[in-house]
Amino acid sequence: AQTVTQSQPEMSVQEAETVTLSCTYDTSESDYYLFWYKQPPSRQMILVIRQEAYKQQNATENRFSVNFQKAAKSFSLKISDSQLGDAAMYFCAYSPSGFGNEKLTFGTGTRLTIIP
Amino acid sequence: EAQVTQNPRYLITVTGKKLTVTCSQNMNHEYMSWYRQDPGLGLRQIYYSMNVEVTDKGDVPEGYKVSRKEKRNFPLILESPSPNQTSLYFCASSFRGGQGFEQYFGPGTRLTVT
Repeated sequence: AQTVTQSQPEMSVQEAETVTLSCTYDTSESDYYLFWYKQPPSRQMILVIRQEAYKQQNATENRFSVNFQKAAKSFSLKISDSQLGDAAMYFCAYSPSGFGNEKLTFGTGTRLTIIP
Repeated sequence: EAQVTQNPRYLITVTGKKLTVTCSQNMNHEYMSWYRQDPGLGLRQIYYSMNVEVTDKGDVPEGYKVSRKEKRNFPLILESPSPNQTSLYFCASSFRGGQGFEQYFGPGTRLTVT
């Protein structure tokens, strides 16, 4: 079974600085999707960024970028120029590709605090 | 607006009183799923449905039922709720196509069973 591990339960960063959240996963599949979701106090699950395993290029969305290391099964999220609105719980998630259960397997989350 | 809706958003009930949490999506997605979120455990899948009348168990299905009679709706049924089902519940729908895969989440339902 696939597993996703987020080893940092909490992190904090000074406003305008850069922070990196770690995620590792375990799978025997060669093709899959990886995601970072943000959950603010409103509890809504918001997709931050998505990576397809067969694409070698790291995904980028504005201030958010990932470092995808397929051989190491590592998928870290870098937030540049941190803003107060980035404060939230961040979840890393995995999904297999192909037909079948499109289940997302989530990590346990990292709570990010932004220090003004 | 493309969205997944859930009702109710908050529910406090007593042990053993049957309840239903509704979920509806307006994106014509074939795949829908229910998750529960508990502190320190992330989100875990309860049940999923790949199309009308096609449902299957996820990782934590005990104590729950689902049905999929229409493509847009996927209600979660707790026939005899217990305190260990106190949790935050999310419904989601998704598509897979040439542009990749994305799962859309509803706003969540906070359930408390006393």
